[in-house]
Amino acid sequence: NAGVTQTPKFQVLKTGQSMTLQCAQDMNHNSMYWYRQDPGMGLRLIYYSASEGTTDKGEVPNGYNVSRLNKREFSLRLESAAPSQTSVYFCASSDPGLAGGDEQFFGPGTRLTVL
Amino acid sequence: GEDVEQSLFLSVREGDSSVINCTYTDSSSTYLYWYKQEPGAGLQLLTYIFSNMDMKQDQRLTVLLNKKDKHLSLRIADTQTGDSAIYFCAETPGTYKYIFGTGTRLKVLA
Repeated sequence: NAGVTQTPKFQVLKTGQSMTLQCAQDMNHNSMYWYRQDPGMGLRLIYYSASEGTTDKGEVPNGYNVSRLNKREFSLRLESAAPSQTSVYFCASSDPGLAGGDEQFFGPGTRLTVL
Repeated sequence: GEDVEQSLFLSVREGDSSVINCTYTDSSSTYLYWYKQEPGAGLQLLTYIFSNMDMKQDQRLTVLLNKKDKHLSLRIADTQTGDSAIYFCAETPGTYKYIFGTGTRLKVLA
């Protein structure tokens, strides 16, 4: 099992450009998440998808859109990138309700720089 | 607010114990978690504790929970250089709602 995979690993954009970050999981999890990680701020939730066909805003959704393409895939789109979106982006998946709580499984991250 | 607080840095000598502290905000969290992030990687679950427990031991890891003070700690016994990483605590005040702390960077000196 590959777990959670993300592409690309690195990306540099100019202000105003758009791009889509891809995420896929092979653990048959129902829920998927997008986080951003900034120094000294921990991880902040951008959007999540509780199950296939649903998406909801997290703590910092402005400037982003998401698509839950199917159970495996959850993409994050920046329509018009801004320097404030320079960050490391993590995708995660989980199956809430299983015994032991809600362990989140993380991808390796995408390091995005917006100039 | 919903800030989960941790100190930013901790430095220990190899073989010593490390204690990483966390103050969380929501007493309704059923589980509290500790995740580890190695350089260039995503987070991985280290351990978790159910909210009705005071302590959980898992090999070199001991988690202590003080619900009255909303304080969570992670003790790593016999700390090794491979334990150098960033450690995040997290609370889950609701389904799909995960709030991570700011992370503590542990540096283990040989």
